[in-house]
Amino acid sequence: ETGVTQSPTHLIKTRGQQVTLRCSSQSGHNTVSWYQQALGQGPQFIFQYYREEENGRGNFPPRFSGLQFPNYSSELNVNALELDDSALYLCASSLDGQPQHFGDGTRLSIL
Amino acid sequence: QKEVEQNSGPLSVPEGAIASLNCTYSDRGSQSFFWYRQYSGKSPELIMSIYSNGDKEDGRFTAQLNKASQYVSLLIRDSQPSDSATYLCAVSTSGGSYIPTFGRGTSLIVHP
Repeated sequence: ETGVTQSPTHLIKTRGQQVTLRCSSQSGHNTVSWYQQALGQGPQFIFQYYREEENGRGNFPPRFSGLQFPNYSSELNVNALELDDSALYLCASSLDGQPQHFGDGTRLSIL
Repeated sequence: QKEVEQNSGPLSVPEGAIASLNCTYSDRGSQSFFWYRQYSGKSPELIMSIYSNGDKEDGRFTAQLNKASQYVSLLIRDSQPSDSATYLCAVSTSGGSYIPTFGRGTSLIVHP
């Protein structure tokens, strides 16, 4: 059974740039959720996709967007990067919502 | 706003002792409760889930849920240095979209 995989592992960007993070869900899972985790904090929910439709969104601005593909993989796009966007971005997949299993994350640094 | 509260610690226990980690939540409609372990620099790993009042045991781990008190805990018996990590409590409601709210985590240190 293949687990959740995320790419890239690390990324360095500058303010104002755009970034795309990718996630392949665990085999058999149809739901993908994205989280932002700042140092010393718990994961903060960004949004969730269920069968290619957005199924919930947290308190993040519209410059955070995403999509889910027919194979249930997903992308997180962030436009106009800000210094505060520096964090660990986590993708979690599940079958019909829970429980959620996390990938290894993408560490994004904004200079 | 749904809140999940955890003492950030660190909680320090000697090897072989019982570590007790606590979590309170604000949403009375919460139905599902999870404990994740997160090693430094790594992603969270699901270790326990609990859905009904009472205790649920899995090896050295026991999750306890009290919905009336809005309280969930995790006991780790025979603590080992390899248990040293941050433990995240997550709580979600049912109703079509299971979106868990995470606490900020409790740092556990098990010293030899």
